[in-house]
Amino acid sequence: AQSVTQLGSHVSVSEGALVLLRCNYSSSVPPYLFWYVQYPNQGLQLLLKYTTGATLVKGINGFEAEFKKSETSFHLTKPSAHMSDAAEYFCAVSDLGTGGFKTIFGAGTRLFVKA
Amino acid sequence: ETGVTQSPTHLIKTRGQQVTLRCSSQSGHNTVSWYQQALGQGPQFIFQYYREEENGRGNFPPRFSGLQFPNYSSELNVNALELDDSALYLCASSLRLAGGGTDTQYFGPGTRLTVL
Repeated sequence: AQSVTQLGSHVSVSEGALVLLRCNYSSSVPPYLFWYVQYPNQGLQLLLKYTTGATLVKGINGFEAEFKKSETSFHLTKPSAHMSDAAEYFCAVSDLGTGGFKTIFGAGTRLFVKA
Repeated sequence: ETGVTQSPTHLIKTRGQQVTLRCSSQSGHNTVSWYQQALGQGPQFIFQYYREEENGRGNFPPRFSGLQFPNYSSELNVNALELDDSALYLCASSLRLAGGGTDTQYFGPGTRLTVL
């Protein structure tokens, strides 16, 4: 069965510091992996995705994530945080199993950026 | 290219009532998924529709049902509303891939449902 675990419901960094948001997943088949960002009172915006191929994926706004199959991880990073990065971040896994297509989201990590 | 739109933006219902939420898919997309996002939680997958048929379902009771129309727009219907149904309901459209999975999902802004 699919599952997604995001370590840390809240992460706080200083402006200019490294951002690291952790995501571990489980899936019985090769998964598609995603990171989304959600600003208050808005829908979800895709940051980046992994389907096949290169395991280091670059997304929008300077974010990137690396798919590590051996660790079942897909952590999100950004070298230098900006105030505008403060938001809720969700990791998600999608696959097509016997029960049909399903997408499972993690519980989310709220990123705070301090001036 | 138009984005995903949802209506209404906000809705207040009382327990036991029925509600219909609507979603218009992004142009060119043939698949729509619905999610429930309770306050402070991640989105929970309700179901997905492809070619007007349910293509996958999460752990939601049968009182949650859906429709997809030939123009790929969609409805989410919830019968016998309960207080715990209060949430943000998100619709996402995407393009089904040859292998059966779907490409990137594009989300609408959501409908905020409050059940009193």
